[in-house]
Amino acid sequence: DGGITQSPKYLFRKEGQNVTLSCEQNLNHDAMYWYRQDPGQGLRLIYYSQIVNDFQKGDIAEGYSVSREKKESFPLTVTSAQKNPTAFYLCASSMVRGNTGLKAFFGQGTRLTVV
Amino acid sequence: EDKVVQSPLSLVVHEGDTVTLNCSYEVTNFRSLLWYKQEKKAPTFLFMLTSSGIEKKSGRLSSILDKKELFSILNITATQTGDSAIYLCAAFSSGTYKYIFGTGTRLKVLA
Repeated sequence: DGGITQSPKYLFRKEGQNVTLSCEQNLNHDAMYWYRQDPGQGLRLIYYSQIVNDFQKGDIAEGYSVSREKKESFPLTVTSAQKNPTAFYLCASSMVRGNTGLKAFFGQGTRLTVV
Repeated sequence: EDKVVQSPLSLVVHEGDTVTLNCSYEVTNFRSLLWYKQEKKAPTFLFMLTSSGIEKKSGRLSSILDKKELFSILNITATQTGDSAIYLCAAFSSGTYKYIFGTGTRLKVLA
């Protein structure tokens, strides 16, 4: 089955720890995105990547880092600099060009909790 | 700054009612407007609109885009409890290749 897989589904982080959220897609999509969702806040863009080895900051990039070494993979690291990381994290992918390809597909999300 | 605004933020209706969800946008290099339904985790795609005045329909759901007035509406007729969800609107910019999401409308349908 084609799709986007995020892991883990639930993640607990201690204060001062870095944690990495995984996102893998087999849809052959060029673009990948990371969003954060807090209650009542919709989806806020953290980082996005249109092509391998290139990525751009979104609206709330501080305290996060990403890499895009492979087309299929776009892991997100939540660093200790992120002061309020408890949230629901969604990864998405889409084609870069073409009207019919411009809908984003989402993974099932990772719920991160600081303990 | 690009922005998408949805209204109302939340809505409670009874089964059989018709609802209209609103989405306005101010996005440079606007390319398309997308609607998603989010029940528990992953948002699922409903519609993508690129041209003004052309209604997209899927069962009891329909949506239309007005590129002159910069808004879209999502209509749900004869609502059912299974329609209870958060409905997200997003605008895609072909300048930055970003999807800008609104805060969502939380719909609750009572039996």
